[in-house]
Amino acid sequence: DVKVTQSSRYLVKRTGEKVFLECVQDMDHENMFWYRQDPGLGLRLIYFSYDVKMKEKGDIPEGYSVSREKKERFSLILESASTNQTSMYLCASSLYTEQYFGPGTRLTVT
Amino acid sequence: QQQVKQSPQSLIVQKGGISIINCAYENTAFDYFPWYQQFPGKGPALLIAIRPDVSEKKEGRFTISFNKSAKQFSLHIMDSQPGDSATYFCAASSRGGGADGLTFGKGTHLIIQP
Repeated sequence: DVKVTQSSRYLVKRTGEKVFLECVQDMDHENMFWYRQDPGLGLRLIYFSYDVKMKEKGDIPEGYSVSREKKERFSLILESASTNQTSMYLCASSLYTEQYFGPGTRLTVT
Repeated sequence: QQQVKQSPQSLIVQKGGISIINCAYENTAFDYFPWYQQFPGKGPALLIAIRPDVSEKKEGRFTISFNKSAKQFSLHIMDSQPGDSATYFCAASSRGGGADGLTFGKGTHLIIQP
């Protein structure tokens, strides 16, 4: 059974803080993804990675960066959190076509 | 620019009825079209997917219909059940949907009334 875990279910941070969201998958998947989900907007791709130390920008990368030092771990970094980054963040991994999602981290920036 | 348009935004169907959700895309490079189902508090999970070389794919009560010339695809849920109540997302990807991320529609909140 594929498992994608995210470090926190809920997170509250202050404007300007540096925020790390961690994602770990246990299925040796090559590909990992970060999306944000907002009501009425669906899921939007922030960054993805197809190999260790490789990363590609998605549709909305501004204000975010990522790190993938190990195959199973993919981190999303908010360098200086802003209130418009309050959202649900979803991590996913895939080997071929099917993406497996974690439960999400609801981040609130105040 | 929204590349995958999904409708309706919300849908209420009686138990036993047919639920239909529609999506349209613009990018002709898309070659993989999945549908994801999301329950409250959970991440989305793949429900069914289709590639443009077939016009229809059926898995149990769930069917995708695909119209390449119209650049449209739809999800049909036959004999809809209260347990089908969830949010449904259509999505699309190029390069076979492997290493590339997915472009999602905005979602449809489906309620099946008992």
